[in-house]
Amino acid sequence: DGGITQSPKYLFRKEGQNVTLSCEQNLNHDAMYWYRQDPGQGLRLIYYSQIVNDFQKGDIAEGYSVSREKKESFPLTVTSAQKNPTAFYLCASSWAGSTQYFGPGTRLLVL
Amino acid sequence: RKEVEQDPGPFNVPEGATVAFNCTYSNSASQSFFWYRQDCRKEPKLLMSVYSSGNEDGRFTAQLNRASQYISLLIRDSKLSDSATYLCVVNKNSGGYQKVTFGIGTKLQVIP
Repeated sequence: DGGITQSPKYLFRKEGQNVTLSCEQNLNHDAMYWYRQDPGQGLRLIYYSQIVNDFQKGDIAEGYSVSREKKESFPLTVTSAQKNPTAFYLCASSWAGSTQYFGPGTRLLVL
Repeated sequence: RKEVEQDPGPFNVPEGATVAFNCTYSNSASQSFFWYRQDCRKEPKLLMSVYSSGNEDGRFTAQLNRASQYISLLIRDSKLSDSATYLCVVNKNSGGYQKVTFGIGTKLQVIP
């Protein structure tokens, strides 16, 4: 089955802790994206990557980091510098300039 | 002014009704447009692309008005299963990258 997977479905973070959200796709898409969704707000772009070993900051990159070592994988780390991390995190992928397809999302909660 | 604006609703409509949502965008250089559907606590899923000539997919019709910078979604014969949030999405080519902007979504509740 082709698609985008994200894990875990729920993640709990303690104060001062870094956590990493996984995103994998087997659609052979070049581009991958991370978004954050908060209640009453649209999706906001955190980071995106158009090719392996290259990525750019989106609109709200502070407190987050990413890597793109493989075409299939685009993990997102929420660092302790992100003071309000509780949100629904969505990963998406696409061929360059084409429609984005989303993974099922990860809900991050702060303990 | 927000790049993409939508009425968040909720729109409460009876089963079988026709309902329409509009979405306005601020950047006249925007190139492609989409409607996504998002169910509660789920990821957005592509509903349909929007073309200037208008396009239809079953009970759903999407229209683009470039002169007035808005797109619309019409749902005929609403079903209970249509209850969801509908996201307007606008793409613009920015330095070789497709900048994608999502609206906050319009919530639709179809009631029996």
